[in-house]
Amino acid sequence: GENVEQHPSTLSVQEGDSAVIKCTYSDSASNYFPWYKQELGKGPQLIIDIRSNVGEKKDQRIAVTLNKTAKHFSLHITETQPEDSAVYFCAASIRWSTLTFGKGTMLLVSP
Amino acid sequence: EPEVTQTPSHQVTQMGQEVILRCVPISNHLYFYWYRQILGQKVEFLVSFYNNEISEKSEIFDDQFSVERPDGSNFTLKIRSTKLEDSAMYFCASSEILAASGANVLTFGAGSRLTVL
Repeated sequence: GENVEQHPSTLSVQEGDSAVIKCTYSDSASNYFPWYKQELGKGPQLIIDIRSNVGEKKDQRIAVTLNKTAKHFSLHITETQPEDSAVYFCAASIRWSTLTFGKGTMLLVSP
Repeated sequence: EPEVTQTPSHQVTQMGQEVILRCVPISNHLYFYWYRQILGQKVEFLVSFYNNEISEKSEIFDDQFSVERPDGSNFTLKIRSTKLEDSAMYFCASSEILAASGANVLTFGAGSRLTVL
């Protein structure tokens, strides 16, 4: 089955810096790659996703890139703010099937 | 904004006891899921449910687990005889059918923390 690896497990940045979280997946048939943000005491919330026919997608300060050949995808957050502090999960799935998650990255943005 | 609600938020139980975790999915969603996260580990898929039956389940979802949609709004996960290793955060999620895009956009609840002593 699919295996998703996520790095780093923790990431500390200063407010205003950029943050990058990277994931790799094993199943070349995977074609949907969402990113979830989990704040303390809440469930994971979808923040951005990308499908395999697209190489990059951007939504304000958040962007995701996908390299299908290398089977990796990344989350980029620019101009980080303290409220970006949370645990971020990447995931992968094949069309309509279940999501396989990475282990999560705890992002801490210091003011 | 519509949300998935889960109860209880935290349950402590003795090993061997039965536990029922409850979820109210978003009303117009048709796919329902349970995931779990053992402390410090990955979020793992347990089971998906559609049209009143299990559509997919993982190897974690063995005979001690069952799911049910007892009425038009609730979706439950039952663990028949809890083990220490069942201690985890259990997340319920629901999704719409996105046939055109093929994307499986899940909305998660806040989770139910289960502690087995």
